[in-house]
Amino acid sequence: DAGITQSPRHKVTETGTPVTLRCHQTENHRYMYWYRQDPGHGLRLIHYSYGVKDTDKGEVSDGYSVSRSKTEDFLLTLESATSSQTSVYFCAIREPGGRETQYFGPGTRLLVL
Amino acid sequence: AQKITQTQPGMFVQEKEAVTLDCTYDTSDPSYGLFWYKQPSSGEMIFLIYQGSYDQQNATEGRYSLNFQKARKSANLVISASQLGDSAMYFCAMRVRNQGGKLIFGQGTELSVKP
Repeated sequence: DAGITQSPRHKVTETGTPVTLRCHQTENHRYMYWYRQDPGHGLRLIHYSYGVKDTDKGEVSDGYSVSRSKTEDFLLTLESATSSQTSVYFCAIREPGGRETQYFGPGTRLLVL
Repeated sequence: AQKITQTQPGMFVQEKEAVTLDCTYDTSDPSYGLFWYKQPSSGEMIFLIYQGSYDQQNATEGRYSLNFQKARKSANLVISASQLGDSAMYFCAMRVRNQGGKLIFGQGTELSVKP
C-alpha cells in the first residue's frame, strides 16, 4: 500500500467556518493532488502540487487554497466553508516513472451544515 | 474536449463468470494513460490496471485485463471469474498532460456479484 494518510477522516462543520484537511505521504513523491468526489461527477481535481511551495489550480478550485511546506504534507483549506463543499475529499500521490500511477489516500468525509 | 464516458451505471454478474465494464474516452493528445480504479463500499480508491496509449499489447493484472481498442477510443475492463469481493464501484480514468497530469474520471459503474 502507498503510504498516504488523511486527517481528519470525518468532519462536520458549520457554514462560514474555516476547515483544513491534511494529507501526509511517506513515499517522498513530488506530485500530490486534491480531488473531490460528488455523486454524478466522479472525482474532480481541486489543486495539485509539483513540489515544495509549488502549487496550481485544478478545475474546481474556487473556495479552496492549498499549501505545501514539506514534501510529505499537502494541506487543503476551505477558507469559509459552504454547503456546496460537502463532499468526500481524496488526496493522491503520483508515482514517478512511465505509468505515473496515482495512488489515493483513504478520503475525508466533510459535511458542512 | 477530454472526457471519459462510462455508460453502465450498474451491472450484475453471477459469481465465477466474466464481466466487461465499458469505458470510452475522448482526447486529441496522442500521449495519454488509461487507468481503472475500484471503490468498495468502504470508500477507498484502489488502483487496478494501467494502459498506455503507445502500448501495443492489452494490459493484464491477475484477473483484470484491459481491452484497449485505440481506433474506437475504448478501454474496457474485463474481470474474469468474478468473486463476491468484486462488488464495488469501478472508475475509468484518463491521465492528461495539463494540470499536472491530472486524472479525468468517468462517473463509474456499480458492479454487483451474485452468489
